[in-house]
This record gives sequence, structure tokens and C-alpha cells, in this order.
Amino acid sequence: AQSVTQLGSHVSVSEGALVLLRCNYSSSVPPYLFWYVQYPNQGLQLLLKYTTGATLVKGINGFEAEFKKSETSFHLTKPSAHMSDAAEYFCAVSEGYGQNFVFGPGTRLSVLP
Amino acid sequence: DVKVTQSSRYLVKRTGEKVFLECVQDMDHENMFWYRQDPGLGLRLIYFSYDVKMKEKGDIPEGYSVSREKKERFSLILESASTNQTSMYLCASSFVSGGSSPLHFGNGTRLTVT
Repeated sequence: AQSVTQLGSHVSVSEGALVLLRCNYSSSVPPYLFWYVQYPNQGLQLLLKYTTGATLVKGINGFEAEFKKSETSFHLTKPSAHMSDAAEYFCAVSEGYGQNFVFGPGTRLSVLP
Repeated sequence: DVKVTQSSRYLVKRTGEKVFLECVQDMDHENMFWYRQDPGLGLRLIYFSYDVKMKEKGDIPEGYSVSREKKERFSLILESASTNQTSMYLCASSFVSGGSSPLHFGNGTRLTVT
């Protein structure tokens, strides 16, 4: 069965600092991987996705993530945090059949001035 | 851009009431989903549908039912609302089966059952 873990339910960074949000997954087949962002009182918005091909994936708002099969990880990074990045971030995995997405518990990112 | 619209942002209902949550998507997506979101638990799948009049149970279907009479509309029904169904409900849609197509979410309905 698929599962997703996100290390750290809450991460705080200073404005301009590196953002690193961790995601590890388990899957019995090569997975499809996604990062979503949720701003207060809104739905989830797709940041980026990995399906096949290049393992370094670039998304919106300057975020990127790298698929590392050997580490079963898909960590999200951004070189320089902005105040507008404060939100909750969800990692999700799909094994490619039945549209069965599994979401991690989420990481709340705070950006300090 | 795909637009997924949930009819209500906030709802307050009484215990025992029948509650309808409506969701409409405008991109001719085959697949539609209902999730509930609770702090610390992430998103949990209630039901999904891959075609009109088709439905599949998700991880937590108890106490819920769904209806999909038209491709663009997917309704979640709480037959007899209970306080433990107080939650944020998120509707989503996607284009193709196979898992590589991302989910597109609505803005959510925050339901309070008193």
C-alpha cells in the first residue's frame, strides 16, 4: 500500500532563507508524485508533479523538487523564501491506477520577517 | 484554467439533518472526488467517481453517499449529519485515469454540525 510521510508538521524559515520541506513515500510500483499548496481557507493548488523523465522538477512560484528513487524521497525546495510562501504544503503519491492518491499529513510553513 | 466550484464555503447544520454538498467542474473531467480534511490527518478520500452514475468508496465512506447524474456535477450527501462530520470538505476533479493527471481542487466547504 502507498503511504506518504512529511517530516515536520511545522517549519519556520526567515525571509530570504532556503525552504526545504521533506517528503518520503512508499510505493510498490514507480509512483507519480505531487506537491500541493494550500493557502488559508482555500483549496489545494498544484505546485509541481513528477511523472516520468527528468527527476528534478520545476514548479510554480520558484519551487522545485527532486525525485530520488533510492531514497524514496521527493523533497520540495525554494532557494529564497518570501512572505507569500506561508501556507500548508502537501505531498501526494499515486501509483497510476484507480486514481488513488494518498496525501501526506501536511507541513505548515511560516516565513519570519 | 480548470474551475471546480463548490456551492457553499461555510455551512452550519444540526445533528440529524440531511446535508447536500455540491460540486461542479467546467473542464469535462471524467474523474471526480470528495475528500475531507482534518488537522493532523491530511486529506482522506470519501468517495470518487470515474463516470456518470459510477461511484467507488474511498477510505472513509461510512455516513456518506454520493450522486453523479451529470458528468460535471458530483454531490456528497450526509444522510444524517453528526458532530464528528464537522470538517473541511474538498471536491476535486481530474482528466484521465492512470494517476499521472493531477487533481484540481475547489475552495472547500467548511461544515459545522451542532
